Amino acid sequence: DTGVSQDPRHKITKRGQNVTFRCDPISEHNRLYWYRQTLGQGPEFLTYFQNEAQLEKSRLLSDRFSAERPKGSFSTLEIQRTEQGDSAMYLCASNEGAAGNTIYFGEGSWLTVV
Amino acid sequence: AQSVSQHNHHVILSEAASLELGCNYSYGGTVNLFWYVQYPGQHLQLLLKYFSGDPLVKGIKGFEAEFIKSKFSFNLRKPSVQWSDTAEYFCAVTGASSGSARQLTFGSGTQLTVLP
Repeated sequence: DTGVSQDPRHKITKRGQNVTFRCDPISEHNRLYWYRQTLGQGPEFLTYFQNEAQLEKSRLLSDRFSAERPKGSFSTLEIQRTEQGDSAMYLCASNEGAAGNTIYFGEGSWLTVV
Repeated sequence: AQSVSQHNHHVILSEAASLELGCNYSYGGTVNLFWYVQYPGQHLQLLLKYFSGDPLVKGIKGFEAEFIKSKFSFNLRKPSVQWSDTAEYFCAVTGASSGSARQLTFGSGTQLTVLP
């Protein structure tokens, strides 16, 4: 499979714990995006990278959230001191970065904070 | 700031009925427009996209959408739906110029249920 892959697919954690999600984009794609999706809503943009540089962060990305893409390939999204409101699907996506190029999504990582 | 409105939250149709899902966007510039579909348990998949040119675009599985610039709309249509079209449909927009935001802004989605 050469699509965007995410791990883990499901995570249940206790409030206050830290969690980390990993995303492996399509190999030739230099842009990588993180979105969050809650039930009944469309995906909301969190942040994106061009190669290893984090170029934009949404106001939704509180200081408990941090994302990295150290070598311009895979990316991690860490949530510290999780809260119940963090329960959502975290989606990763990638594209080649030129204007209008289609963004391809992974299957997402479900987070449940109990 | 850009935004997308999808007016229908849940649409229920019988097989062979025609479909039209509304999408309106707000953006201060040239746009690229997309429709994504999310089948139960699966990831978001691109149905079709508009970048420029013919405002009537055709996508996969018999879907099409029409960009009406004066109405800031990009409605999705299919002349005859099938049970397998049951899914959630998302309209999305991004800026088209070199200095514009690259990330997609999504609508809240429309759940389509097709009854056999």
